[in-house]
Amino acid sequence: SAVISQKPSRDICQRGTSLTIQCQVDSQVTMMFWYRQQPGQSLTLIATANQGSEATYESGFVIDKFPISRPNLTFSTLTVSNMSPEDSSIYLCSVEDPQDRMDYTFGSGTRLTVV
Amino acid sequence: DQQVKQNSPSLSVQEGRISILNCDYTNSMFDYFLWYKKYPAEGPTFLISISSIKDKNEDGRFTVFLNKSAKHLSLHIVPSQPGDSAVYFCAVTNFGNEKLTFGTGTRLTIIP
Repeated sequence: SAVISQKPSRDICQRGTSLTIQCQVDSQVTMMFWYRQQPGQSLTLIATANQGSEATYESGFVIDKFPISRPNLTFSTLTVSNMSPEDSSIYLCSVEDPQDRMDYTFGSGTRLTVV
Repeated sequence: DQQVKQNSPSLSVQEGRISILNCDYTNSMFDYFLWYKKYPAEGPTFLISISSIKDKNEDGRFTVFLNKSAKHLSLHIVPSQPGDSAVYFCAVTNFGNEKLTFGTGTRLTIIP
């Protein structure tokens, strides 16, 4: 399976600021996925990031709040903009293994606390 | 609108006994089903999956059962071990979709 390096692993941020989360994959992948897990809840897909095109956002998520970059086939960033305490969550990136379709690997997650 | 539900938020099982985790989904178009395990401060790790053409898939101590008519899947772990204590998520998707929809999770605690 693909191996994902995600950072930072955690951060405490002031409201109104922005945080950029990075995911590096050890192999080239077509799509990368960004999820949010709010406290006590399930993982919710934020957006799908394709290299060379704009990310596709799920209902309830907008690019101004969660801008995504995908400069190449092994790297992506998610920015949480103008943060409020409601943005306190775990954010995870995920990829579909290029060698084994339907095998999804997740990063270790970024635990964000907004104060 | 929760398309995937895990009605038991928590479950405690004695070590060595069978753990059964359940998952219900609403959309009959889903055709691929996965189980993930998540430890604190780590990302989910893949456990086992099943496609809609099967009703059972087994991998070591883990077996997933799919009941398409009931839109229900379950994960059996036997024998349960202390290292199995984690949060378990079911996830559903379609071939060709690549998006996973997750259940709400069940926290499994194995009692030594």
